[in-house]
Amino acid sequence: QQQVKQSPQSLIVQKGGISIINCAYENTAFDYFPWYQQFPGKGPALLIAIRPDVSEKKEGRFTISFNKSAKQFSLHIMDSQPGDSATYFCAASIGGYNKLIFGAGTRLAVHP
Amino acid sequence: GAVVSQHPSRVICKSGTSVKIECRSLDFQATTMFWYRQFPKQSLMLMATSNEGSKATYEQGVEKDKFLINHASLTLSTLTVTSAHPEDSSFYICSASRDSGNGYTFGSGTRLTVV
Repeated sequence: QQQVKQSPQSLIVQKGGISIINCAYENTAFDYFPWYQQFPGKGPALLIAIRPDVSEKKEGRFTISFNKSAKQFSLHIMDSQPGDSATYFCAASIGGYNKLIFGAGTRLAVHP
Repeated sequence: GAVVSQHPSRVICKSGTSVKIECRSLDFQATTMFWYRQFPKQSLMLMATSNEGSKATYEQGVEKDKFLINHASLTLSTLTVTSAHPEDSSFYICSASRDSGNGYTFGSGTRLTVV
């Protein structure tokens, strides 16, 4: 049973545009929702994370929107740049230190 | 910031041999370490969770006798792929967390190729 569903599988955005990736979770016990960026051959790197007590968190060009009632959260990348081209993963865990469950990933390509 | 060092970054081994991958937390004590496996263009699949001084907890479908995990200290966990076969070729990634709930730090991954 897939606990974290991520869409779209791939995304093409023009430079300067907004990239939006969505995730939905099933387990209501999840209370830590991070987003990771991964380049080929590298480990994932944390971009931004949110807990259910807030509906939005912004760090630079990256924003997480969180909808607890719908059990959904999304990543918005503003002013997308070619250097943002990578695979993005949403994830969820209980407590922020227990096992982390990943979404399927989104391959983002930002065209100049 | 928290740093996790994973070695080796790449390893090629012959079929039937064993390979050990190390994961070290350099500047913090990792209460829990996790091992993931990632096939090309796929997501990270959790293999096992290990806590210092206790036996690892393996996910369903992961052979514990094939993927030996040792977490002897709060800064070191090792994954040994025993009697490796070509189908074990994959990208293995470790991560570490603390009980404080401040999230996870990932290693840079190990590309294992079994020939």
